[in-house]
Amino acid sequence: DVVMTQSPLSLPVTLGQPASISCRSSQSLVYSDGNTYLNWFHQRPGQSPRRLIYKVSNRDSGVPDRFSGSGSGTDFTLKISRVEAEDVGVFFCMQGTHWPRTFGQGTKVEIK
Amino acid sequence: EVQLLKSGGGLVQPGGSLRLSCAASGFTFSNYAMTWVRQAPGKGLEWVSSISTSVTVTYYADSVKGRFTISRDNSKNTLYLQMDSLRAEDTALYYCARGTTTYDYWGQGTLVTVSS
Repeated sequence: DVVMTQSPLSLPVTLGQPASISCRSSQSLVYSDGNTYLNWFHQRPGQSPRRLIYKVSNRDSGVPDRFSGSGSGTDFTLKISRVEAEDVGVFFCMQGTHWPRTFGQGTKVEIK
Repeated sequence: EVQLLKSGGGLVQPGGSLRLSCAASGFTFSNYAMTWVRQAPGKGLEWVSSISTSVTVTYYADSVKGRFTISRDNSKNTLYLQMDSLRAEDTALYYCARGTTTYDYWGQGTLVTVSS
């Protein structure tokens, strides 16, 4: 199975400051069709996960442009340019290239 | 508006069975592969099972293979998860989600508790 390793697992941030989450996979996530199926999700307390980013860097409709995804192969990053109060919760990366699908452990973002 | 409405959760004894349903609306259900993902209390997300658009292809996590069966009825726009031989470690919130390489819409979780 592809292991998805996120860091840090806990991220205290100051409102208005940037934040960055790393996600590394144990195998390349490039699929035979040339796409890299690396996704980022955000889960607020008590809510279902919400997709933010798909195929490494494509932001979903309605997702603020302060969120950006980057990376390639096995090394990926989610960046928040300026953290807002609504960003608290857990961020997960997930690979959709290999079976079984696997998620990172999650990074809990809290406001200092 | 895309909606995924779930039903069928609850409390069941170890070794028992339960069937989850996920009724889809707001999109052409038969055009999308579908997935079940679960989240144990206070834990992360775990992919459980996925099914292709035409029902012909299914995938399962090793942890549920042989015990869970995913299915769909495209005429009823509904996704199912039949869960047999349930174990305490199957206790979780179960989400249905649209897609297989990515999950762009998620339903509300339905809680399954396996306990005597």
